[in-house]
Order: sequence, then structure tokens, then C-alpha cells
Amino acid sequence: GQSLEQPSEVTAVEGAIVQINCTYQTSGFYGLSWYQQHDGGAPTFLSYNALDGLEETGRFSSFLSRSDSYGYLLLQELQMKDSASYFCAVRFRGPLVFGKGTRLSVIA
Amino acid sequence: DAGVIQSPRHEVTEMGQEVTLRCKPISGHNSLFWYRQTMMRGLELLIYFNNNVPIDDSGMPEDRFSAKMPNASFSTLKIQPSEPRDSAVYFCASSPLRGLSQETQYFGPGTRLLVL
Repeated sequence: GQSLEQPSEVTAVEGAIVQINCTYQTSGFYGLSWYQQHDGGAPTFLSYNALDGLEETGRFSSFLSRSDSYGYLLLQELQMKDSASYFCAVRFRGPLVFGKGTRLSVIA
Repeated sequence: DAGVIQSPRHEVTEMGQEVTLRCKPISGHNSLFWYRQTMMRGLELLIYFNNNVPIDDSGMPEDRFSAKMPNASFSTLKIQPSEPRDSAVYFCASSPLRGLSQETQYFGPGTRLLVL
């Protein structure tokens, strides 16, 4: 089956760098996506990796390695507003399959 | 663009009552998804439609749940009768059906349902 694993919680200091990992137990998917969800809000799209390698969008970067069944989201220069849940997701022939999410807490 | 619109934003009802959640996808998006989110189970896909046709409803918990998409701009998720365990946030999302952009789903603000 399709399975995505993420850490449930991560805590990091304001201004620091944090990496949120996502490992998966399947192959043949189209790419790896990341979504952000603030408390009380809806998931919003952050990034998508169709190919192996690093994709950068401002302070956020996302990485995919299909050979290692692994990807990560990298957040730099952390700000308090980055405190949220982050979900990785993959798509096969059908809709996106989401991980359980990682709750990031940014502390001063 | 108004984004995905959901109504109501909050719903409080008593066990046994019928609940109808509504969704208007982004114009031009051919795929529509209904999700349920709880602390215990996370984000669960209930059902999705392509071009108004239900493709996969295997995530619908039981027969009390039903969903329709009568046209490209409107979908409903109905729970009848509702139970306390149905309390959750229900999200509707839409995306294009073809091309790279189908990797991006746009979520509505959600309906927070509380069944007493």
C-alpha cells in the first residue's frame, strides 16, 4: 500500500533552520508535494518536486530522492509565523495521499 | 478568484439530524475532493469527483455519508443521520484534472461540524 512517514512534532528556534523529513513505502508516484496548515486554517500548497533534487522557493526548499524513498522540507530563517503543521503528499494514478503531518513549533 | 467556497463554516447539530455541507470549487477545476480532518485520524479523503463523476468513494465511512456533484460548480456532502463521532473539520478541495497543475489542490476554509 501507500504509506508516508513524517515525524509528528518538531521544535526549532526562531532564526534557525529546520528540516522535516518524509519517507515513503511505495514507488511509481508522480512527485512529492508539501502543504502547510496553520491552526484553524486550511492546508495550503507549498511546493512540488517532480524530479529528484532540490526546489527552492524563498525561505522554503524541498528535496526528493526517489532512489532513497525520501524527501524533506527545509525551512530557513525560521519565523514565529512558520509554526504550523506540514504535510507531505504523493500522487499515484488517483488523488493525493497525505502523510499524518508534522507539527512545527517555533520558539523564541 | 474567490477560491474554493464552503458553507456553512460552522455547524452545531444534535445527534440524528441531517447535515448538508456545500462546496463551490474554483472555476475551471475539474477535480473535487472531500476530506475529513480529526486529531486522531488526520486528513482523510472521503470521496473525489472528476468532471462531476464520483471516481472513488472508498473513504466514505458508511452509508450515512453521501456526496453529489450535480454540476461543475457545486457539490454537497450529506450525513444522515449524524452521530457525535462525525464531529470533525470537513474540507473541500479542487484542482485541475490535467497537466502539472493537478499536483496542486486548493482547499476551502472548511466546515467545523460538532454533533452533540
